[in-house]
Amino acid sequence: KAGVTQTPRYLIKTRGQQVTLSCSPISGHRSVSWYQQTPGQGLQFLFEYFSETQRNKGNFPGRFSGRQFSNSRSEMNVSTLELGDSALYLCASSLGGRVPYEQYFGPGTRLTVT
Amino acid sequence: DQQVKQNSPSLSVQEGRISILNCDYTNSMFDYFLWYKKYPAEGPTFLISISSIKDKNEDGRFTVFLNKSAKHLSLHIVPSQPGDSAVYFCAAIKSFGNEKLTFGTGTRLTIIP
Repeated sequence: KAGVTQTPRYLIKTRGQQVTLSCSPISGHRSVSWYQQTPGQGLQFLFEYFSETQRNKGNFPGRFSGRQFSNSRSEMNVSTLELGDSALYLCASSLGGRVPYEQYFGPGTRLTVT
Repeated sequence: DQQVKQNSPSLSVQEGRISILNCDYTNSMFDYFLWYKKYPAEGPTFLISISSIKDKNEDGRFTVFLNKSAKHLSLHIVPSQPGDSAVYFCAAIKSFGNEKLTFGTGTRLTIIP
């Protein structure tokens, strides 16, 4: 079974621009969660989508948004990029809120904002 | 408010010895806990989990212990191997309702050959 894939793997953007990241979950997984990882901050939860609906949301500004398509693929968008948005963005898929709760992560997209 | 805490940012252990990684949580509603391992340039991979109805779960060299009264869990790796060098994250979730996983900040484990 193919794992979680994320594209692109690396991205360099300029302050003020916007960016869209893509995530394809494991086949059969209906939940996709997004995380931001920065040094010393661990994995900060952005949001979770389940069956095309945002089910949970973390404490990030409205510049961070996402969506999920009918095939469970998900996109994350960050508008008006700031230097502090430089991070590794991880997506994870799971069956969706039932045991087992294990999430399966993609390799991440490394975003650098200059 | 960091509900899941890993107070040791790093840990070094001799190969063959036991590695003990610790995690504390503050939310008493958490009832399911997981450990993930992360190598550089890769996403975290699931390692082992435990439900709050248990106090121990074993899987090969990995054992997770849960002390609910202390709101503390630990991951034991015996014996430690060089390939265990990675960042370890603990995570917790409330199993009822559509809740999200809450992760700790991670502990970097280095196994010394």
